[in-house]
Amino acid sequence: SQTIHQWPATLVQPVGSPLSLECTVEGTSNPNLYWYRQAAGRGLQLLFYSVGIGQISSEVPQNLSASRPQDRQFILSSKKLLLSDSGFYLCAWSRAGNQPQHFGDGTRLSIL
Amino acid sequence: QQQVKQSPQSLIVQKGGISIINCAYENTAFDYFPWYQQFPGKGPALLIAIRPDVSEKKEGRFTISFNKSAKQFSLHIMDSQPGDSATYFCAASDGLNTNAGKSTFGDGTTLTVKP
Repeated sequence: SQTIHQWPATLVQPVGSPLSLECTVEGTSNPNLYWYRQAAGRGLQLLFYSVGIGQISSEVPQNLSASRPQDRQFILSSKKLLLSDSGFYLCAWSRAGNQPQHFGDGTRLSIL
Repeated sequence: QQQVKQSPQSLIVQKGGISIINCAYENTAFDYFPWYQQFPGKGPALLIAIRPDVSEKKEGRFTISFNKSAKQFSLHIMDSQPGDSATYFCAASDGLNTNAGKSTFGDGTTLTVKP
């Protein structure tokens, strides 16, 4: 069966510090991968998606970047965090096309 | 921009009642319509999904009704239970035209089922 892992579960960072969130998928190959941000009580905002190694598409201009160094690894990064980067970050995968997305349990990021 | 409009924002239902959440979309190229359930502190999980070639899909107490001409779909939860209390998201994706299968999500509905 397929599983998705996200870490850390919670993170508190000072403004201006760097960020690295990691997501890995097991049990499938060549998945589509997604990073979302969810503000408190709000919907899901798609940040980045990837259809293959090294292929990253950005949905909204922001202070964040994403990389996919391996087939089943997706990393969300920032060089300098802003207060507005606080939120709940979710990684997801899907087989491809119009298939369901499977989400990790998220990382709660607080910027102080 | 592609949009999916979800209503209501919040819903309170008595145990045993029917919960109904509605979504409307604009892009006629959407061809996959899932519903996700999210509990606090967790990621959303697929609950039920429908494709536009059928008008209704039922799985246990959960039913999706789909109206292609009106570009609307809804989630019905029969015999609602306190354990159903969660946030529900509708979504729509255009998987055939873009391999990425990006989903557009509604803003969510917070359901509270009172015992």
